[in-house]
Amino acid sequence: GAGVSQSPRYKVAKRGQDVALRCDPISGHVSLFWYQQALGQGPEFLTYFQNEAQLDKSGLPSDRFFAERPEGSVSTLKIQRTQQEDSAVYLCASSWGQGGHQPQHFGDGTRLSIL
Amino acid sequence: DAKTTQPPSMDCAEGRAANLPCNHSTISGNEYVYWYRQIHSQGPQYIIHGLKNNETNEMASLIITEDRKSSTLILPHATLRDTAVYYCIVRRQNSGGSNYKLTFGKGTLLTVNP
Repeated sequence: GAGVSQSPRYKVAKRGQDVALRCDPISGHVSLFWYQQALGQGPEFLTYFQNEAQLDKSGLPSDRFFAERPEGSVSTLKIQRTQQEDSAVYLCASSWGQGGHQPQHFGDGTRLSIL
Repeated sequence: DAKTTQPPSMDCAEGRAANLPCNHSTISGNEYVYWYRQIHSQGPQYIIHGLKNNETNEMASLIITEDRKSSTLILPHATLRDTAVYYCIVRRQNSGGSNYKLTFGKGTLLTVNP
């Protein structure tokens, strides 16, 4: 079946522009996560949704970052007034349950470059 | 979540077993050991996880020491496609059982050589 799909695969934006990154999780997956991965580093947690509820946004680096999942499926990560330090790969992951130890399934990410 | 320590890099010959170590000396009783890997330009891929018993699946085996302070991921017959960064992650089960975030370190870059 289809895995987690992220779009666009690459995004180049000028400093100060707003960007929106999309994540299509695996159908039926309840939990959805966003991570940020800087060059040479492991992914870092940004935020977590259970269905449409955003239960944890403690990893969002500033109020310029906003995520939503209005119908409990597709999610969008929005970054306003982008800065150069926002350049990174943004990864989305989903898992089917809300409990237990189901593995997280990752998309291949959106590589964001801020000029 | 407990911190993990992994060597930054390892090499392995194609067809041989790759043994990737991980130290997690501060692990607590309700924390699981997870392994993920990340091939270049792809997202992380789940490999295996365990609590205290050794585990095996179609991808790998996980050996956890009796005191649970360290573990080893074993790829029994490494291929060139196994070249990746391997992450060892310790994760507790939240109260209420809510599925939760992964805390990645820098991992081990495994290079499988022909």
